Amino acid sequence: QVQLVESGGGLVKPGGSLRLSCAASGFTFSDYYMSWIRQAPGKGLEWVSYISSSGSTIYYADSVKGRFTISRDNAKNSLYLQMNSLRAEDTAVYYCARMSSGSAFDIWGQGTMVTVSS
Amino acid sequence: EIVLTQSPATLSLSPGERATLSCRASQSVSSYLAWYQQKPGQAPRLLIYDASNRATGIPARFSGSGSGTDFTLTISSLEPEDFAVYYCQQRSNWLVTFGGGTKVEIK
Repeated sequence: QVQLVESGGGLVKPGGSLRLSCAASGFTFSDYYMSWIRQAPGKGLEWVSYISSSGSTIYYADSVKGRFTISRDNAKNSLYLQMNSLRAEDTAVYYCARMSSGSAFDIWGQGTMVTVSS
Repeated sequence: EIVLTQSPATLSLSPGERATLSCRASQSVSSYLAWYQQKPGQAPRLLIYDASNRATGIPARFSGSGSGTDFTLTISSLEPEDFAVYYCQQRSNWLVTFGGGTKVEIK
């Protein structure tokens, strides 16, 4: 079945780095734009970044620009998020999501928790 | 950046009642507006895309309407499993934003 599974979350100190991964299955990964979306504890949804199907087009939210890098490996059906210079306000559940042709997010992973704390 | 404002923040209703949720955009998003449902401890689920199209498997009691800057999600008759938080979302000028959410709670 169509599935996205995130991994790589954990506890990291302020200023540290973490790399999240998202493994896709059940669909042709290389056909779709993919995105990272996060949700701080008790808060709403915040879009982080998306990447085009080929990887040639990338956009970031202002809150992470210059610190986070999204990438993908279509041969491995995988999406990544390299997070550097982490701050306390980056603490959140990070979801990977598939973007449908209508710019909606039609498939979501279960999320991976990132906690930035000393 | 386009700001999406959802109202009300909380809607207290009983099962069987009609729910009407609003999402207002700070500038036109044409019909590129989606709605999601999120229950505690779960990932969001796509309900409506392109303002009025139900996603696969979504019951007919969910409907979306609107265009430009004003959008509505209607749940015609609330089922017990519909009590959750609902978010709207748009993509315009290559950037994505979400509304702050409306919590539909049991009265």
